[in-house]
Amino acid sequence: GDSVTQMEGPVTLSEEAFLTINCTYTATGYPSLFWYVQYPGEGLQLLLKATKADDKGSNKGFEATYRKETTSFHLEKGSVQVSDSAVYFCALSESKLIFGTGTRLQVFP
Amino acid sequence: NAGVTQTPKFRVLKTGQSMTLLCAQDMNHEYMYWYRQDPGMGLRLIHYSVGEGTTAKGEVPDGYNVSRLKKQNFLLGLESAAPSQTSVYFCASSLSATGAVNTEAFFGQGTRLTVV
Repeated sequence: GDSVTQMEGPVTLSEEAFLTINCTYTATGYPSLFWYVQYPGEGLQLLLKATKADDKGSNKGFEATYRKETTSFHLEKGSVQVSDSAVYFCALSESKLIFGTGTRLQVFP
Repeated sequence: NAGVTQTPKFRVLKTGQSMTLLCAQDMNHEYMYWYRQDPGMGLRLIHYSVGEGTTAKGEVPDGYNVSRLKKQNFLLGLESAAPSQTSVYFCASSLSATGAVNTEAFFGQGTRLTVV
């Protein structure tokens, strides 16, 4: 069945550092791919998405490219801020929406 | 501008008790989902629905039942609660699961359930 694998955290960075959170997926067809973010005490909210191969999703300085050849959707940001500290979830949607285990990002000043 | 509303927000149950969690959305979405979130396990899909009157099993359906009698509501039931069901439960809805548009899922604020 469909599945999502993402790197374990926590990821600890200093402010302005470069961020990469790896995500790979398994799917039978052509899913849509997402990154969701969860701030403390809140539900998840969509960060960015891509719906077909080679699409790049972007939002708030974050980017991810749908790579069908490597079945990957890695999240990147060139310069993180303290306010980016949160848990990030990679997800795919084909017949239903499923998530990876989440990666906690901690950014220190 | 309610979006997705879950009730209750907190609940403590004794082992063997039953309860129903209610999820309501006002966006006319077709798809609705129930997840549980546990430390180190991410969000695991319990049950989902692709439209009014339909339900389907997710990754961890055992011990739970659901109903979608009205399009806007998706109920999650625990018939006989167990300590292993202690978790944070999230409901979500989306217009569609696939395609270029309208696949964004909107989440409720969660229900923290403790079974003692």
